[in-house]
Amino acid sequence: DSGVTQTPKHLITATGQRVTLRCSPRSGDLSVYWYQQSLDQGLQFLIQYYNGEERAKGNILERFSAQQFPDLHSELNLSSLELGDSALYFCASSVGERGGLNEQFFGPGTRLTVL
Amino acid sequence: DAKTTQPTSMDCAEGRAANLPCNHSTISGNEYVYWYRQIHSQGPQYIIHGLKNNETNEMASLIITEDRKSSTLILPHATLRDTAVYYCIVRVGSYSGGSNYKLTFGKGTLLTVNP
Repeated sequence: DSGVTQTPKHLITATGQRVTLRCSPRSGDLSVYWYQQSLDQGLQFLIQYYNGEERAKGNILERFSAQQFPDLHSELNLSSLELGDSALYFCASSVGERGGLNEQFFGPGTRLTVL
Repeated sequence: DAKTTQPTSMDCAEGRAANLPCNHSTISGNEYVYWYRQIHSQGPQYIIHGLKNNETNEMASLIITEDRKSSTLILPHATLRDTAVYYCIVRVGSYSGGSNYKLTFGKGTLLTVNP
C-alpha cells in the first residue's frame, strides 16, 4: 500500500460523457502527478500539480483538465469521452516539487471504460 | 530519454534468482537507469535505480555494464508475488519539469514466477 488513494476503482461510461477521477496523495506529499496507461501506449505522463498550482504538463488532451484543492487532493476531469480514452489512470504523489522517479508513489489506479 | 529494449517475457522458478536484462545503447552520461514493476493492473512500484555503479537494496540488485549500454535487474530469490511486468527506464535523474517533462514506460518484461 503506497498511501495514495484513488476513487473510483472502476468507471464505465458512454462516449460523449464527462467523468471525474479523484486522488488523495500520501500524507505530507505536496505534489500530485496524473498518468494514463493504455495497452498500446505504455504509461504516459499527463500533468503535475504542486501545492495547488500546475507545475508540468505532458501529453494531456484539451478535453482533459485537472486541479489540486487546498486539502491537496486532486481531481482529473475527462470530458467528451471517446472510445480511445479507455485506459487505466494513475496518480502518484511526492513530497517535493521536483519528484524524481524514485520519489513518486503510485496509487492503485482507476480503470475507465468508455462504451 | 534513451530508448530501452527488454524481452517481452521471462519465466523463473520460485526461490531462484530472476535476471531481467535491459539494453539502453543510446544512454547519455547524465541518464540514470530506473526499474519499476507493475503487478497486474496495480500502480507502478519503484524498485531501484543507478547511474554507473552497481546498486543493491532490500528488493533487488542492479548491475550496469561498464559501458552503461545495458543493465540487469536481479531478484535474488523470486517469489510468486514477484510475478509482474518489469519496466526499465532511462532518463536524467533530476526532475525536468515544465512543458518538456515526459515520462514514458515502454512495454516492459512480463516475469512469471512458477512454483
